[in-house]
Amino acid sequence: DGGITQSPKYLFRKEGQNVTLSCEQNLNHDAMYWYRQDPGQGLRLIYYSQIVNDFQKGDIAEGYSVSREKKESFPLTVTSAQKNPTAFYLCASSGGRNSNQPQHFGDGTRLSIL
Amino acid sequence: QQQVKQSPQSLIVQKGGISIINCAYENTAFDYFPWYQQFPGKGPALLIAIRPDVSEKKEGRFTISFNKSAKQFSLHIMDSQPGDSATYFCAASNYGQNFVFGPGTRLSVLP
Repeated sequence: DGGITQSPKYLFRKEGQNVTLSCEQNLNHDAMYWYRQDPGQGLRLIYYSQIVNDFQKGDIAEGYSVSREKKESFPLTVTSAQKNPTAFYLCASSGGRNSNQPQHFGDGTRLSIL
Repeated sequence: QQQVKQSPQSLIVQKGGISIINCAYENTAFDYFPWYQQFPGKGPALLIAIRPDVSEKKEGRFTISFNKSAKQFSLHIMDSQPGDSATYFCAASNYGQNFVFGPGTRLSVLP
């Protein structure tokens, strides 16, 4: 089955710690995205990548970092600089530029502070 | 100009009734309008989508109505069921380059 796999489902971070959220897709999509969702809120774009080895900041990139070394993978690191990291993190992928296709989402990672 | 407005913020409907969620956009470059359904603890799932060359698209109980001149589109859920209780997001994109999401509508269907 093609899809997006996010892991872990739940993650706890200690003060001053960096944590990395995994996102893997087997849809052969060029573009990948990271969103943050706070309780009862909409989706806010953190970072996105239209192609391997290239990515752009979204609306709330401060305190986060990403890499895109492989087409299938787009890990998100929540750094200690992100002072309010508790949220539901969603990864998505799409066909990318000129594809006019929808985004497909994973089932999210819920990050909490210890 | 990149914003997508969505209303209402929350909606309560009786079982069997019609649920209507409205969205509006400003950017005329948008050319693809999907709707997503999200259950608690899950990622949004694509429900139905429309392109601006048609005014209506129907899939089962779900219908999108699209008004290009008014830059508005809406989701209609016919014969609403308790299992439809979820958060619904409209979105817009311009040929896969930018996806902009509405703030969401929390739908509750009473049994």
